[in-house]
Amino acid sequence: AQTVTQSQPEMSVQEAETVTLSCTYDTSESNYYLFWYKQPPSRQMILVIRQEAYKQQNATENRFSVNFQKAAKSFSLKISDSQLGDTAMYFCAFIGAGSYQLTFGKGTKLSVIP
Amino acid sequence: EPEVTQTPSHQVTQMGQEVILRCVPISNHLYFYWYRQILGQKVEFLVSFYNNEISEKSEIFDDQFSVERPDGSNFTLKIRSTKLEDSAMYFCASSEARQGEQYFGPGTRLTVT
Repeated sequence: AQTVTQSQPEMSVQEAETVTLSCTYDTSESNYYLFWYKQPPSRQMILVIRQEAYKQQNATENRFSVNFQKAAKSFSLKISDSQLGDTAMYFCAFIGAGSYQLTFGKGTKLSVIP
Repeated sequence: EPEVTQTPSHQVTQMGQEVILRCVPISNHLYFYWYRQILGQKVEFLVSFYNNEISEKSEIFDDQFSVERPDGSNFTLKIRSTKLEDSAMYFCASSEARQGEQYFGPGTRLTVT
């Protein structure tokens, strides 16, 4: 079974600064997909970014980018120019090529400080 | 922009009662999912649904749970006899492809008293 670990329960960052959230995962599969989801206080789950394991190039979406290290099974999220609206829980998630289900980590609570 | 919708936003029910949670997935999506999140915990997979049948389910999804796509737009989760531990936020999600991005609805908060 796959597991996803987020070792930072809480983090904070000054507005306009950069922050990196960590995620590691464990799988025996060679083909899979990784995601970061954001959950603001409203509790809606919002997709932030997606990475295919077979792609070496790191995914980027505006101020959000990932550092995908397949050998180390690491998938960190970098948020540049942090904004107050980035305050939320961030969940790392994994899906294997043969599966339908997302496996989530426990989340990192990010606070952006003005 | 198309989005997943869920009704109701909050449901309060008594232990032992049946509840039906409703979802309208994004119209061109083919894969549908239910997840739940107990307060303060991580999001857990319940079930996936494709081509009018369950494609995968977790250990949580026991005989008390069922899913249905009664028409071309709705996707429902039924809990037959609710327990206190069923209190959680229930999220519906849909995707265009099997490992595609799963888009989540706003959730239904279920409170069992």
